[in-house]
Amino acid sequence: GENVEQHPSTLSVQEGDSAVIKCTYSDSASNYFPWYKQELGKRPQLIIDIRSNVGEKKDQRIAVTLNKTAKHFSLHITETQPEDSAVYFCAATNSNSGYALNFGKGTSLLVTP
Amino acid sequence: EAQVTQNPRYLITVTGKKLTVTCSQNMNHEYMSWYRQDPGLGLRQIYYSMNVEVTDKGDVPEGYKVSRKEKRNFPLILESPSPNQTSLYFCASSSTGSGANVLTFGAGSRLTVL
Repeated sequence: GENVEQHPSTLSVQEGDSAVIKCTYSDSASNYFPWYKQELGKRPQLIIDIRSNVGEKKDQRIAVTLNKTAKHFSLHITETQPEDSAVYFCAATNSNSGYALNFGKGTSLLVTP
Repeated sequence: EAQVTQNPRYLITVTGKKLTVTCSQNMNHEYMSWYRQDPGLGLRQIYYSMNVEVTDKGDVPEGYKVSRKEKRNFPLILESPSPNQTSLYFCASSSTGSGANVLTFGAGSRLTVL
C-alpha cells in the first residue's frame, strides 16, 4: 500500500516567517494529496488539497506544490501567525483504485510571537 | 448542521469488556472511515466503507470490527479490548465513494483500556 513520509516532525518558527513541511509518497499512481490541520484538542480539518494534474495550488497564505517525478509534495505557509500553531498532516491516495487515505505522521508547528 | 457524530467522547473500560463506538453522519456521504491517533504515529486507518454493506480493512484492523448496515451509521466494535487499543479514535466521512475527497471528521472518542 501507499507509504507517506512527512518531515520535519516538529517545526518552530517566529511569527511572520515562512514554514515548509515536506512529504514523500511511494505509490506513483497516487493522484490526490490533501493537507489537514489539527489544533490542540480538535479534530483534523482540511486546509488545502491538490490533484496530480496540477503542480501548485494557493489559498491566501497557504500553498501546496507537487513534484510527481520525485514523488513529493510540500505545504508552504507564509507570514505565519500564532494561530497557525497546530499539527499538520499530509496524505495521499489513488482515487481510481484506492479507497484508503494514508496519512503522514504529522508535523507539530509552533509559531512564536 | 452537517456533521459527523461520535459517541462516547470519552470512555474508560477494562480488558475484555466488549464496547461499541458509534458514528453517524447526516450528509448522505457514501464513504466512511475509522482512524486511530497515537502520539508519534499520526492517523492510522482501521477500516473504511465505500457504501452500505461494503467495508474493507485499513492499515491496523486487528482487534476491531465494523459494519455498515445503513448509509449514515458506521459503528466501530472492539470485541475484546486490550490496553494497546487505548487511543484517540476518529470517524470521518466523504461525499464520494473513495478517500479522494474532503474528509469530515467527528470530534473524536478517547478510549482508555485498563
